Amino acid sequence: ETGVTQTPRHLVMGMTNKKSLKCEQHLGHNAMYWYKQSAKKPLELMFVYNFKEQTENNSVPSRFSPECPNSSHLFLHLHTLQPEDSALYLCASSQHEAGSSYEQYFGPGTRLTVT
Amino acid sequence: AQKVTQAQTEISVVEKEDVTLDCVYETRDTTYYLFWYKQPPSGELVFLIRRNSFDEQNEISGRYSWNFQKSTSSFNFTITASQVVDSAVYFCALSEATKTSGSRLTFGEGTQLTVNP
Repeated sequence: ETGVTQTPRHLVMGMTNKKSLKCEQHLGHNAMYWYKQSAKKPLELMFVYNFKEQTENNSVPSRFSPECPNSSHLFLHLHTLQPEDSALYLCASSQHEAGSSYEQYFGPGTRLTVT
Repeated sequence: AQKVTQAQTEISVVEKEDVTLDCVYETRDTTYYLFWYKQPPSGELVFLIRRNSFDEQNEISGRYSWNFQKSTSSFNFTITASQVVDSAVYFCALSEATKTSGSRLTFGEGTQLTVNP
């Protein structure tokens, strides 16, 4: 596997379900990100992890719970979601050095539908 | 606060035409970075270019070129001799030079480019 992978690619879940999205990066990066992309809206940064530590939570509701067990893996645990949470969820990774900003490499995304 | 504006929501051209996608940004930082990404129908964002605020040289990569002008806070992207495969949504993004967290990208709303045969 190369680059950034995400599973599953598509997910349909009811409002009472619990599911998890998985992201894995094979680029040796030390920062990972979750984004939400809704129709007709800019990409919204949700969470940032740097060396496994969460460094940013962009006012995301608690029904989204991230987990980063190591620098290569990132999860997004979902529970009691709302229909408005239906969107494309994108994972990304990048190198990070203080005082700079490197390009992020994105996975193919998980298309989530909440019914 | 940072902001990126892509005023062109949709552009439609005929194959082989040149097309320019506009990007205007706002930031109070003196050190910042600008990016362009391509999102084809498959959904995955593809990185195209990264520029820092101290490098105003224009860049050309094949049919792609970028014009960075600090005086007008713009970072425009031109595709020469467009092809059907260039059809995608193109995003401009801005990031400050962070101290602690990873790169925090602020994206524009994107421009949907359709290249017709």
